[in-house]
Amino acid sequence: DAGVIQSPRHEVTEMGQEVTLRCKPISGHDYLFWYRQTMMRGLELLIYFNNNVPIDDSGMPEDRFSAKMPNASFSTLKIQPSEPRDSAVYFCASSSRGFTEKLFFGSGTQLSVL
Amino acid sequence: AQKITQTQPGMFVQEKEAVTLDCTYDTSDQSYGLFWYKQPSSGEMIFLIYQGSYDEQNATEGRYSLNFQKARKSANLVISASQLGDSAMYFCAMRDLTGANSKLTFGKGITLSVRP
Repeated sequence: DAGVIQSPRHEVTEMGQEVTLRCKPISGHDYLFWYRQTMMRGLELLIYFNNNVPIDDSGMPEDRFSAKMPNASFSTLKIQPSEPRDSAVYFCASSSRGFTEKLFFGSGTQLSVL
Repeated sequence: AQKITQTQPGMFVQEKEAVTLDCTYDTSDQSYGLFWYKQPSSGEMIFLIYQGSYDEQNATEGRYSLNFQKARKSANLVISASQLGDSAMYFCAMRDLTGANSKLTFGKGITLSVRP
């Protein structure tokens, strides 16, 4: 298996622009997670899906952030409009169901908003 | 609500020695899993070890072992025979089942530096 695939690896954009991050989870996994990592706040869970349905989006910072999972093999995280404080590494991860199951992480997207 | 606490400042260890990284957690659930991940400077998240709340034996994976003390709600990671490649950020995390849902909550992480 190729693992969790994220794109792009790096994104540099200007304030006010729309940013779309993409994720392909491991086939057969029920859960998909989006995390954001910054020095100040560590690893924050933004949103997670179970069988393509958003379960908990309480970590989404504000209305500028949205996430979708139109099918079992694809998810997007969109920021519109982007701001400099959105600069961070965004990780996607997937797993099977159950508290015994580890998460498999993608390589992350390094986002810089200028 | 779940909470993971990692309060140690940056840790230093001499190569070939053992080191313990602390983690305490808080949950009202009876069934949960505890995980440790390693994040080297390259940025990827690497799974190290897992401990289930009902497991009676402490988990071990090669040089990694987990000192699980359920009553104290602690799940410390022990790395034996440290290597230079162990220098990284280490995250403790917990996953439980809240209803039908299951998310993974991370601590703030601990930086480990291995000295030659």
